Amino acid sequence: QVQLVQSGAEVKAPGSSVKVSCKASGGPFNTYAIGWMRQAPGQGPEWMGGIIPMFPTPNHAQKFQGRVTISADESTTTVYMELTSLTSEDTAVYYCARAKYDSSGYDSWGLGTLVIVSS
Amino acid sequence: DIQMTQSPSTLAAYVGDRVTITCRASQSINKWLAWYQQKPGKAPKLLISKASNLEDGVPERFSGTGSGTEFTLTISSLQPDDFATYYCQKCNTSPYTFGQGTKVEIK
Repeated sequence: QVQLVQSGAEVKAPGSSVKVSCKASGGPFNTYAIGWMRQAPGQGPEWMGGIIPMFPTPNHAQKFQGRVTISADESTTTVYMELTSLTSEDTAVYYCARAKYDSSGYDSWGLGTLVIVSS
Repeated sequence: DIQMTQSPSTLAAYVGDRVTITCRASQSINKWLAWYQQKPGKAPKLLISKASNLEDGVPERFSGTGSGTEFTLTISSLQPDDFATYYCQKCNTSPYTFGQGTKVEIK
């Protein structure tokens, strides 16, 4: 089964940006969707967006329009999520996850990356 | 966007109880619904895809039914390991929205 290894925790100042990486190993990379979810303290998961690495155009939730960039590097089997103009409301654990072959759910998850936005 | 609403938000039950959680979509999503279990400090774990397909390794006491706008997750006999928070997620088109969760607590 695929393993997803995420980058480490970050502390960011309000107004700055954060870029979280998610390296996939142990399974196909190009043809499966990778999604990004976040989970604020005490809240449920929130889908942010996703990408199928073989297709260059990611999609994202309207809420993050203009602030989120999701990209993939096929040479390193790594997917990235960059979020700009951070506020305290962006403090959360950010997860990447790989979808099943038919996108009927996310069956492999990273351990999560804690992003704290604080002055 | 389609909204996903779970009920109840919290549920207290005894070991051995039959437990049912409901998830409603604001528009039809056919059978494109997933159920997850999440324990504190851990990533969600996929239990059921396409409303009723049990994932490999998931105990058969878990089952899912429904289509269209109404779905249920049933645990036939609650075990100590099942005390967790459960989420539904629509998987037909983006945004792949989650429900707000149902926390299953020990009674």
